[in-house]
Amino acid sequence: EVQLLESGGTLVQPGGSLRLSCAASGFTFSSYGMTWVRQAPGKGLEWVSAIRVGDDSTHYAESAKGRFTVSRDNSKNTLFLQMNRLRAEDTAVYYCAKSAVAAPGDYWHFDLWGRGTLVTVSS
Amino acid sequence: EIVLTQSPATLSLSPGERATLSCRASQSVNIYLIWYQQKPGQAPRRLIYDASNRATGVPARFSGSGSGTDFTLTISSLEPEDFAVYYCQQRSNWPLTFGGGTKVEIK
Repeated sequence: EVQLLESGGTLVQPGGSLRLSCAASGFTFSSYGMTWVRQAPGKGLEWVSAIRVGDDSTHYAESAKGRFTVSRDNSKNTLFLQMNRLRAEDTAVYYCAKSAVAAPGDYWHFDLWGRGTLVTVSS
Repeated sequence: EIVLTQSPATLSLSPGERATLSCRASQSVNIYLIWYQQKPGQAPRRLIYDASNRATGVPARFSGSGSGTDFTLTISSLEPEDFAVYYCQQRSNWPLTFGGGTKVEIK
C-alpha cells in the first residue's frame, strides 16, 4: 500500500527539541522530493520545509530557518524533521507529503500525504 | 515571499449550486498554482495542479483556470461531499506558500 506514516509528535516544553519521522511505503522513496507542512489548531496550512532528490538540497520557511532541519534516509525510506528551540507557535499537526512527480525536475505539488502527527509546545 | 489571498473566506451554498473560489498571488506564479481540498480530521487532497490540470480520480465537476496572479477553482454543481475547506498553493518560488483557505459550507 502506498502510504506515509508520521510519528514523533508529543508534548514538549518551550525551548525543547523534537525529531519527527515519516515512514514511506509502496513507492520508490528515493525518487521523490518530500516536504513537511503544518497546521496549527483551527488554522490553515503552512509549508515548513522540503528536501530534493539526489543532492538532498533543502528549503525552509522563514519560521523554520535556523531551528528546523529536514533530512532523509533513503535506505530506510524515511523522512525526518529535527526541530530545536521550539516555541508555542510551533504547536501544530505536522504532515509529510510526497511530490507528485519523480525526479529529475522540481514538481512541488503533493499527491500523497500522511495523517499527521501532533506537536504541542507548552509548559 | 509570494502571498496568496483566497476569497471569499466562507462560501455558503446549497447542493447543486455552482461554487467559484478565487486565489490571487502577490506576484506572478505563471501557471504554478495548485488547489487542495481538506475535510475535518483529514489530510489535504490534491485536486488541481498547474492551474488547470485535474489530478487522477478528481471528478470532472472540479475545474481550475487562470495564470499569472489570478486563479479560480470552480465546482460546477456541488455534491454533499464537496463541502470542505479549499487551499491554493504556489510552487513558482521558494518559499512555497499556501493561501488562507476558503470554507465551502452548506447553506
